[in-house]
Amino acid sequence: QKEVEQDPGPLSVPEGAIVSLNCTYSNSAFQYFMWYRQYSRKGPELLMYTYSSGNKEDGRFTAQVDKSSKYISLFIRDSQPSDSATYLCAMRGGADGLTFGKGTHLIIQP
Amino acid sequence: EAGVAQSPRYKIIEKRQSVAFWCNPISGHATLYWYQQILGQGPKLLIQFQNNGVVDDSQLPKDRFSAERLKGVDSTLKIQPAKLEDSAVYLCASSLMGNTEAFFGQGTRLTVV
Repeated sequence: QKEVEQDPGPLSVPEGAIVSLNCTYSNSAFQYFMWYRQYSRKGPELLMYTYSSGNKEDGRFTAQVDKSSKYISLFIRDSQPSDSATYLCAMRGGADGLTFGKGTHLIIQP
Repeated sequence: EAGVAQSPRYKIIEKRQSVAFWCNPISGHATLYWYQQILGQGPKLLIQFQNNGVVDDSQLPKDRFSAERLKGVDSTLKIQPAKLEDSAVYLCASSLMGNTEAFFGQGTRLTVV
């Protein structure tokens, strides 16, 4: 079992829909959770950064962390074609390097 | 604020040749990372520096890969000799400290033929 599991997709939804992206993990030491967006031939861009369990909202994006279930989510409201990209979840225990999921390829249809 | 700078953007080499990548982190960031991203995969940590000291290089193939961060700022990652399976994007990232947000550069796309 990989440390971080993420469905690679592709996930295709119509413009304006609510998108739900998820990751599960096995390492209970993970405390810091991140979501990155990566466009083709670009580096990952940090979207959300959360510590421990709970919710965090930033504009159209909401990140949720449930440490008891080892499950994290990213919700995108009012999705736009410009949101089409690969979304990577990442996590770390402390001051160590990030462990990434494989990434979910998201397509927003106009 | 300037982001993480990497060069070159693209590199094509033959197997058994050597190659080097350069990274300039965000000013003031003490922690620097090198990641390898193979097509269709998430980035995998190769090495983490805190200032000019190595924190974690457990996943670095040390028989062919080496990295240094002189003076705690810029860093270079070298592969010698390259293999076909080294074809990937090499990403540099930096963070203020080890447990804060990490910001990535554009990456160097390496093709080994």
